Amino acid sequence: NAGVTQTPKFQVLKTGQSMTLQCAQDMNHNSMYWYRQDPGMGLRLIYYSASEGTTDKGEVPNGYNVSRLNKREFSLRLESAAPSQTSVYFCASSATGLSQYFGPGTRLTVL
Amino acid sequence: KQEVTQIPAALSVPEGENLVLNCSFTDSAIYNLQWFRQDPGKGLTSLLLIQSSQREQTSGRLNASLDKSSGRSTLYIAASQPGDSATYLCAVYKETSGSRLTFGEGTQLTVNP
Repeated sequence: NAGVTQTPKFQVLKTGQSMTLQCAQDMNHNSMYWYRQDPGMGLRLIYYSASEGTTDKGEVPNGYNVSRLNKREFSLRLESAAPSQTSVYFCASSATGLSQYFGPGTRLTVL
Repeated sequence: KQEVTQIPAALSVPEGENLVLNCSFTDSAIYNLQWFRQDPGKGLTSLLLIQSSQREQTSGRLNASLDKSSGRSTLYIAASQPGDSATYLCAVYKETSGSRLTFGEGTQLTVNP
């Protein structure tokens, strides 16, 4: 049972480049989330998906797009990366209202 | 807007000590509260989840309490061990937030041998 998996683990981009962070869960959870974690700012929600086919903005959605491809997969896309998007990105999933389970994270550096 | 505060930001204790980590939140209309552990460079591991109707949850040496009316939760760690060294985060799930957790910034715990 893999839980929540994320790819890639590390990525370095130049300003203006685009990339997609992938997330998959095998726990049959309805809800999935993308967070970013920055020193002094804590964990902040970027986007979430309460169920397959729906997505909603979180606290810091600007500069990001998401796709809930199916029940298992939830991707996060940076269309034009900026240095302010240098962060650690975490994907999580949950059954509605219950414990959230986190992936190992993606460390992104934008030069 | 829900705000979650954790005090202290950092704590260093000798092995074997019992300790308490604090979490406070501004909006008491929460659905549940969750405590996580994060090791350096790793993701978050869920430790305990307390539903709003519960007062406490226990798992091994960990005990978490919840007082909704005062907007407080505590995580009690008994007989601390060096392996408990990590950052501990609390997060609240609000009833009308659409499944969103609001996190505190965490308490960095160091247990010295």
